[in-house]
Order: sequence, then structure tokens, then C-alpha cells
Amino acid sequence: AQKITQTQPGMFVQEKEAVTLDCTYDTSDPSYGLFWYKQPSSGEMIFLIYQGSYDQQNATEGRYSLNFQKARKSANLVISASQLGDSAMYFCAMREGRYSSASKIIFGSGTRLSIRP
Amino acid sequence: EAQVTQNPRYLITVTGKKLTVTCSQNMNHEYMSWYRQDPGLGLRQIYYSMNVEVTDKGDVPEGYKVSRKEKRNFPLILESPSPNQTSLYFCASSPTSGGAKGETQYFGPGTRLLVL
Repeated sequence: AQKITQTQPGMFVQEKEAVTLDCTYDTSDPSYGLFWYKQPSSGEMIFLIYQGSYDQQNATEGRYSLNFQKARKSANLVISASQLGDSAMYFCAMREGRYSSASKIIFGSGTRLSIRP
Repeated sequence: EAQVTQNPRYLITVTGKKLTVTCSQNMNHEYMSWYRQDPGLGLRQIYYSMNVEVTDKGDVPEGYKVSRKEKRNFPLILESPSPNQTSLYFCASSPTSGGAKGETQYFGPGTRLLVL
């Protein structure tokens, strides 16, 4: 069965430092996708980054990168040069199957990131 | 503007009184989904739909119904709400073209439901 685990309920990081948010997953399907979403205090869900199980390179989107270690089943989010606006809840998510058109999607319980000035 | 809209945004109701939360997207997306968010549990998928007239259960479908009669709309129906359905509900949609763009889910603003 699919499972997503985020072991860090909360983190405090100094502004401008890099931060790594942990995510491990479990699936028996060789095709899957991994996502990270940000939820600020205003409540909206913001898509950050996506990694497909067959993608050869780690995904990057601006200051966000995904450290994808397939053998260890981990998909950690790395935020470089953190900013005050990065303070939010962060969710890791996964869907099984080649495309999102036919799959359940599961989310981890989230990590609350707080950036200190 | 490309968006997912949900109505109402806030709802207080009583146990057993049927309610519907509407969800509409204007991006011609095939995939739509409903989630509930509860503290410490993240988002849990209730139902999803791959296209018109095609729906399937997520992880927590009990007590909920959905329908997909039109591509743009995906209402969530609570036939007999109970207090344990008090939660924050999100609707989301995505295309099915594959790759990063195909995987991106666009979320609605959320509906906060309180069942007394």
C-alpha cells in the first residue's frame, strides 16, 4: 500500500540558510510521481515541484530542489537561501501509476517550517 | 483567469442535514479530486474523477458522494453530515498530459465545514 512519511512536525531555520525537509515513501508500483506543496497561513495549496520515478535527474524549480534517492525511497525537499516568506506548512505527496489520470494521491502529515529573521 | 472555485467557503450545519459543496474548474482538466484536511493528518483524498462519469474512491470516502456529469464540475455531497466530518475541504484539478505540467494539481481555496 502507498505510504508517505514526513518525520519532522516542525522546524526552525535561520533566514538565508538552506533547509531540507524529509519525505520517505513506500510503494510497490515502479511508476509513481512525487510532489511537494506549500501551504502558507492563508490556507491555499501551492504546487512547488514534481519528480517522476523514471526521471533521471533531480527536479529543480528556482530555489527548490528535490533530492530523489530512489533506492532509499526518499524525496527530500531542499530550499536554498531561505526567506521569511518560506514560513509555511509543507506537504509531500505521491501518486502511483504513470499518469495522474488514474490514481489515488496520498499526502504526508506535513512539516511546519518557521524561518527566523 | 485559470482557477478552481469552491462554494461555499464557510458552512455551519447540523447533524443529518444534507449539503453539497460545489467545485468548478475552467481549465478543461480531466482529473478532479476532493480532499479533507485535518490537523496532524495532512490531506486525505475522499474521491477522485478521471473524466466525466468516471469516479473512484480515495482513502476516506465513507459518508461522501460525488458526481461528474460535466467536465468542469465535481460536487461533493454529504447526505447526512456528522460532527466527524467537520474539516477543511479542498477541491483540485489537473490535466492528464503527463510530466510535471500534467501532474500539477490546481487547488481551490478550500471550504471550512462545521457540523454541530
